[in-house]
Amino acid sequence: ILNVEQSPQSLHVQEGDSTNFTCSFPSSNFYALHWYRWETAKSPEALFVMTLNGDEKKKGRISATLNTKEGYSYLYIKGSQPEDSATYLCALGYGQNFVFGPGTRLSVLP
Amino acid sequence: SAVISQKPSRDICQRGTSLTIQCQVDSQVTMMFWYRQQPGQSLTLIATANQGSEATYESGFVIDKFPISRPNLTFSTLTVSNMSPEDSSIYLCSGGLGVTPGADTQYFGPGTRLTVL
Repeated sequence: ILNVEQSPQSLHVQEGDSTNFTCSFPSSNFYALHWYRWETAKSPEALFVMTLNGDEKKKGRISATLNTKEGYSYLYIKGSQPEDSATYLCALGYGQNFVFGPGTRLSVLP
Repeated sequence: SAVISQKPSRDICQRGTSLTIQCQVDSQVTMMFWYRQQPGQSLTLIATANQGSEATYESGFVIDKFPISRPNLTFSTLTVSNMSPEDSSIYLCSGGLGVTPGADTQYFGPGTRLTVL
């Protein structure tokens, strides 16, 4: 069974701080690594789909990198804002399935 | 993209009863899926909802407990049958527009938060 891990489990930062968290997985064949942001009572929102080793994606203040050889992806948030408070999920997509990590819960304090 | 709605958004149910969750997509999606997140756990795939045929269940999930229907390309239901407190979870449906779910963005509903007493 594929195991996707995320760290830290939760994180509290001050508004304006930059932060990053990690998704790690056993190096194996998969179609893509996905990052989602999930705010309470809302739909998980797709942030990035990454497929190639060395991929870097950016969306506003949020960016992500992928290292398939060593089995990790980083998500970075520059200048955190209170509206960034959410749970960030990574998932490996393979076949018909997604395997999700447990998420990193980010709280940005004003 | 696709916008997915779910009903109900939350419910509190008694042990032994059943609840049917509805999922509606605003566009025709090729694949639809049902997930659950138990407290403190990762999102876990329950099954793939197949249009016009029986759903495909993941290991540990069975049709008698989680019957699924998908009568067309934009609608699906999941029933949680004979509920016990262990079924207390958030249930989400998702859909994809591509033909390779693992490679394509999945769009999610907002979830149904179920509490079983």
